[in-house]
Amino acid sequence: AQTVTQSQPEMSVQEAETVTLSCTYDTSESDYYLFWYKQPPSRQMILVIRQEAYKQQNATENRFSVNFQKAAKSFSLKISDSQLGDAAMYFCAYRSGGLFGNEKLTFGTGTRLTIIP
Amino acid sequence: DTEVTQTPKHLVMGMTNKKSLKCEQHMGHRAMYWYKQKAKKPPELMFVYSYEKLSINESVPSRFSPECPNSSLLNLHLHALQPEDSALYLCASSTWTGRGYRAVGEAFFGQGTRLTVV
Repeated sequence: AQTVTQSQPEMSVQEAETVTLSCTYDTSESDYYLFWYKQPPSRQMILVIRQEAYKQQNATENRFSVNFQKAAKSFSLKISDSQLGDAAMYFCAYRSGGLFGNEKLTFGTGTRLTIIP
Repeated sequence: DTEVTQTPKHLVMGMTNKKSLKCEQHMGHRAMYWYKQKAKKPPELMFVYSYEKLSINESVPSRFSPECPNSSLLNLHLHALQPEDSALYLCASSTWTGRGYRAVGEAFFGQGTRLTVV
C-alpha cells in the first residue's frame, strides 16, 4: 500500500517570503500522480498543483512550484511571494496511474501554513 | 462549470434519524467519491463509484449507504449513526474512468457537509 508522509505539522512564513512544504511517499509503482491540495477554513479542498510521475519536469502554477525527486520519493511544494490568502492546511496526495480499482487518492497528514503579516 | 455541489452544508441528526447527503456535478466526470474528514485529520476514503457502479468500499459500516442514481448525482444515506460519526463529509469527482484507462484527472471536491450526530 502507498503511504504519504508530511513531517511538518505546522509552518509559518512572513508575507511576501518563500516557504517550502515537504512530502515524501512510498510506493512500488512507476506510474502515478502526485498532488498538493489546499484546504482553507472554508473547508473546500482546492487543487494547487499536480505532477505526473513520468514527467521529469517539475510542475509550476504561478507562485507555486514543486521539486519532484522520483528516486528519493520526495515531492515538496514551494510557495513564492506568500500571501495572506495562502493560509490553509496543505495536503500532499498520491494516486496510482494503474488500471481499474486504483482510483484511491491517498493523503498525507497535512501541514498547517500560517502567513505572518 | 468546475463545481461539485453538496447539500446540505450543515446537518444535525439524532441517532435514530434517517437522513441523506447529496452531491452533484456537471463536469461529465464518471468517478465520484465520498470522503470522511475528522477535525485536523486528512480525508479518509469511504466509497468510490465508477460509471455509476460501486468500485471501492473501504469497509464502511452499513449505517452508511451510498447511491449513484446517475452520472451526475451521488447520495449518501445515513441511518442509526453514532456520535463518533460526526465529521465533515466531502464529495469529489474526477475524470478517472476505471475501465482500462489511465488515471488522468485530479479530484474536484465539494465544500462538504458538516454532520453532527447527537
